[in-house]
Amino acid sequence: DAGVIQSPRHEVTEMGQEVTLRCKPISGHNSLFWYRQTMMRGLELLIYFNNNVPIDDSGMPEDRFSAKMPNASFSTLKIQPSEPRDSAVYFCASSPGSEGEQYFGPGTRLTVT
Amino acid sequence: QQQVKQSPQSLIVQKGGISIINCAYENTAFDYFPWYQQFPGKGPALLIAIRPDVSEKKEGRFTISFNKSAKQFSLHIMDSQPGDSATYFCAAEGNKLVFGAGTILRVKS
Repeated sequence: DAGVIQSPRHEVTEMGQEVTLRCKPISGHNSLFWYRQTMMRGLELLIYFNNNVPIDDSGMPEDRFSAKMPNASFSTLKIQPSEPRDSAVYFCASSPGSEGEQYFGPGTRLTVT
Repeated sequence: QQQVKQSPQSLIVQKGGISIINCAYENTAFDYFPWYQQFPGKGPALLIAIRPDVSEKKEGRFTISFNKSAKQFSLHIMDSQPGDSATYFCAAEGNKLVFGAGTILRVKS
């Protein structure tokens, strides 16, 4: 199995631009999670889906952030407009169930200038 | 709101020594306590996990000790090796997974 796939691995963009991060979870996993990692705030859960349905988006920082999961094999996290404080590593993770071990992707390092 | 407190922030251990990382939690609804290991440029990966019905779990050189009454749990790495140098996160799960702030471990050879 290829594991969780994220793209792009690195993204550099200017403030105000739209950014879209992509994730392909492990086949057969029912839950998908988006995390943000920064030095200041550590690993934060942004949103998670179960069977393609958003269950908890309380971690989404503000309306500029949105996430979708149109099918079981694809999810996007969009930031519009992006700001320098959004610079972080964004991880996608998937899990066979709604709890238990999560398998993380390699992350997308986002830099907003 | 930090629901899982992890210490120390960083740790330096000699090769062959014991590395100990501690975590404490407040929410008694947590029922799953994993430890994740993260190498630079990689995503976190599950190392070992425990549920509150047992006080200890051992997998190879890695042991979790769990104290339900004190709401504390710790990771012990026996015979620490340079390859163990990484960032370690404790976590706790109730309705979602909450991570500690992380401990940067360096094992000196």
